[in-house]
Amino acid sequence: DQQVKQNSPSLSVQEGRISILNCDYTNSMFDYFLWYKKYPAEGPTFLISISSIKDKNEDGRFTVFLNKSAKHLSLHIVPSQPGDSAVYFCAASAGAGNTPLVFGKGTRLSVIA
Amino acid sequence: GAVVSQHPSWVICKSGTSVKIECRSLDFQATTMFWYRQFPKQSLMLMATSNEGSKATYEQGVEKDKFLINHASLTLSTLTVTSAHPEDSSFYICSARDGGIGNSPLHFGNGTRLTVT
Repeated sequence: DQQVKQNSPSLSVQEGRISILNCDYTNSMFDYFLWYKKYPAEGPTFLISISSIKDKNEDGRFTVFLNKSAKHLSLHIVPSQPGDSAVYFCAASAGAGNTPLVFGKGTRLSVIA
Repeated sequence: GAVVSQHPSWVICKSGTSVKIECRSLDFQATTMFWYRQFPKQSLMLMATSNEGSKATYEQGVEKDKFLINHASLTLSTLTVTSAHPEDSSFYICSARDGGIGNSPLHFGNGTRLTVT
């Protein structure tokens, strides 16, 4: 049973517009959420995170929103750039201590110039 | 920022041979490292948690005798795929946290593409 779900395998957006990537989770113990960007044959690169005590975190063009009651988070990228084209993974972890991350299946974002 | 280095980046081996993958934390110490595996178009799946100076913890369905993990120092963990078979062909990625506590991001190596022929 997947605890972190990214239901859209792909998304295509025009350059300059907003990209919205969605993620749902089922484990109510998750209290820390992250987004990673991944290119083929490379490891994931950390983008932005949010803890469960917040509902929004912003870093430049990237904003993550968390809706705990809906167990839903989203990543907004604005304005989208062709260099943003990659696979984006949502991840979550539970509790304090050195815990692993649980990943979604990823969403492939294509930003068209 | 924290850097995790993984070597080799790709390897092709014959069925039945063993392959060792190294994971190093370059500018921080990591008492714990995590090994993930990714099959094509799939998610990153946690294989095992590598603990410095003690035995690794394996996820359900991962054979500990097949995927040997050694975490002999605070900056190095190794994963050895023993008697590799074609179904072991995958993308293996290690990760670690700088500071070793939760609520901070995991930093990932660049992965190792293993192809078993």
